[in-house]
Amino acid sequence: EAGVVQSPRYKIIEKKQPVAFWCNPISGHNTLYWYLQNLGQGPELLIRYENEEAVDDSQLPKDRFSAERLKGVDSTLKIQPAELGDSAVYLCASSPGGASTDTQYFGPGTRLTVL
Amino acid sequence: AQSVTQLGSHVSVSEGALVLLRCNYSSSVPPYLFWYVQYPNQGLQLLLKYTTGATLVKGINGFEAEFKKSETSFHLTKPSAHMSDAAEYFCAVIAHGNNRLAFGKGNQVVVIP
Repeated sequence: EAGVVQSPRYKIIEKKQPVAFWCNPISGHNTLYWYLQNLGQGPELLIRYENEEAVDDSQLPKDRFSAERLKGVDSTLKIQPAELGDSAVYLCASSPGGASTDTQYFGPGTRLTVL
Repeated sequence: AQSVTQLGSHVSVSEGALVLLRCNYSSSVPPYLFWYVQYPNQGLQLLLKYTTGATLVKGINGFEAEFKKSETSFHLTKPSAHMSDAAEYFCAVIAHGNNRLAFGKGNQVVVIP
């Protein structure tokens, strides 16, 4: 069974440029998560989708961040414009459903460097 | 809000020695508890989780953790460290009825030959 796929794995951009990250969850998983992981910290949730609906986006900085999950499968996270402080690893995860006890399966992440 | 405390960002352990990683949570109602491991350039992988039932939980790669409500703890142990255990370990919690994993800061484990 294929795991969660993310691309690109690494991205280097200059500040004020836009950037987008892509995630393909495990087949059949209805719930998709985007996390932000700063250096030396644990991941923090940015947004959670149940199918195509964003059910928890309270931690997403909406002035510059946006996300979509068209057709309830793949998802894209975008930053526009990027700031120096956005340098971090962006993780995507998926789970079969939205139950608290469901295991979340994580992708390898996209490491973003903003110069 | 849930919070998780993992003390000691870097933990060194000799090969063959006991691995002990401490995790404490703050919550009036015991949450669901998880340990994840992150190997270099890989995603987080679930080691084990506690939801209900037996408080001693066995996971993959010889790890286990015990939920102690009175101590609000969920410490992770492995009797004998192997070189392949070198990785970063995260404790995480979810409150009942919630779906937001709250992670600790992690422990970077170094195994000394």
